[in-house]
Amino acid sequence: DAKTTQPTSMDCAEGRAANLPCNHSTISGNEYVYWYRQIHSQGPQYIIHGLKNNETNEMASLIITEDRKSSTLILPHATLRDTAVYYCIVNGSGTYKYIFGTGTRLKVLA
Amino acid sequence: DAGVTQSPTHLIKTRGQQVTLRCSPKSGHDTVSWYQQALGQGPQFIFQYYEEEERQRGNFPDRFSGHQFPNYSSELNVNALLLGDSALYLCASSLLGFPSPQETQYFGPGTRLLVL
Repeated sequence: DAKTTQPTSMDCAEGRAANLPCNHSTISGNEYVYWYRQIHSQGPQYIIHGLKNNETNEMASLIITEDRKSSTLILPHATLRDTAVYYCIVNGSGTYKYIFGTGTRLKVLA
Repeated sequence: DAGVTQSPTHLIKTRGQQVTLRCSPKSGHDTVSWYQQALGQGPQFIFQYYEEEERQRGNFPDRFSGHQFPNYSSELNVNALLLGDSALYLCASSLLGFPSPQETQYFGPGTRLLVL
């Protein structure tokens, strides 16, 4: 079973920030939080990952709560091309496989 | 820098046949994982190969087997195909980092298999 829970779907207006939440209340101290997205029928695309500090790259920002039991992926200015299924995954040392949940289907509206 | 590549992109087989899917990892990566994604579901881990050996296996029957070559490329073989094997098969590559505790996996575009 997936170690994360995410809302099934979300809508966001084009140009606005998209905030995608993820709960991972059973996360262990050495486990990282990864975010991927999958645009229809393509392979999952790596977005960002973090351990306990907030992270930012050219695609997104990742905010992890202090207790590490939840996180939020932020797409600062969503575009129509950001419409995809977003997966939050918890993975750590010695756990080679990714366990995907059902993800959040983000729809960016014009 | 070439990313993960997979071949073929699409494949149609009939029940009982055998299929081989191929994956070339991202440049510099040494580990390959395979996932099966049924329609409307998240990918499910099949197995992972490192140093030409299966390092971990998911809950898939022995009909699913794999191989990794010295150049780190990999094959996924499925025997005695069932209708339920119809899915998108994804390959992901990573670099076994030590003492890095985590390995970011990069996915290929997938091979869509249809079993009739």
